Amino acid sequence: GEDVEQSLFLSVREGDSSVINCTYTDSSSTYLYWYKQEPGAGLQLLTYIFSNMDMKQDQRLTVLLNKKDKHLSLRIADTQTGDSAIYFCAENLRGTYKYIFGTGTRLKVLA
Amino acid sequence: DVKVTQSSRYLVKRTGEKVFLECVQDMDHENMFWYRQDPGLGLRLIYFSYDVKMKEKGDIPEGYSVSREKKERFSLILESASTNQTSMYLCASTDTYGYTFGSGTRLTVV
Repeated sequence: GEDVEQSLFLSVREGDSSVINCTYTDSSSTYLYWYKQEPGAGLQLLTYIFSNMDMKQDQRLTVLLNKKDKHLSLRIADTQTGDSAIYFCAENLRGTYKYIFGTGTRLKVLA
Repeated sequence: DVKVTQSSRYLVKRTGEKVFLECVQDMDHENMFWYRQDPGLGLRLIYFSYDVKMKEKGDIPEGYSVSREKKERFSLILESASTNQTSMYLCASTDTYGYTFGSGTRLTVV
C-alpha cells in the first residue's frame, strides 16, 4: 500500500539550513505537500509542489522533488527558533482528496 | 481565512462512554476528514466525507463512526470509548489542494 516515510528528529543551530527528507511510494500523486505543526496546534500548510515540477522556492523554503527516487525534501534557509516544530510531508492519491501523511520530523533549533 | 473549528481542545472521558467530537468549517467545502495523530505513527485517516450524508472508511475506522447531516459539520463518534483511543484527533477540510486543519482535540480515555 501507499507509504510515506520521514526521519523522526532533526536538530540544527540557529542560522544554519535545515533539510527535512521524505520518501513516498505512490508515483501517481498529483501534489506533494509540506505541513508544519507547532506545539498544541493543528497542521498548517507550508508549501506544496505539483508532481511535474522539480523545484519550488518560496522565501526561505525550497522544495525539491526527485520523482525517479520518489524523494521529497524541504530546505529551510537561515533556520530560526520559531521554526522549531513537527514537519509532515504528504502526498495525495491521484483522483482523490485523500492524503497519505508521513510520520513527521521534529525539528529542534538550538540558539 | 478558511476556518475549521473543533469544539473541544481537551476532553477526558471514561472507558465505555459514547464520545462526540465536533468539527465545523465555514468555507463551504465538500470534503471533510478525521485523522488521529499518535507519536511515531503520524496521521492516520479514520473517516472522510465527500458530501452531505456521505461517508467512507479510512485506514482505521474500527471503533468509530461519523455523521454529516449538514455540509459544514462533520462529527466523529466513539461508540464505546477505550483507552487505546486516547489520542489527538484532527479534523480537516478541502475543496482543491491542501487541507485546512482544525486545532485538534486531545482526547484522554481513562
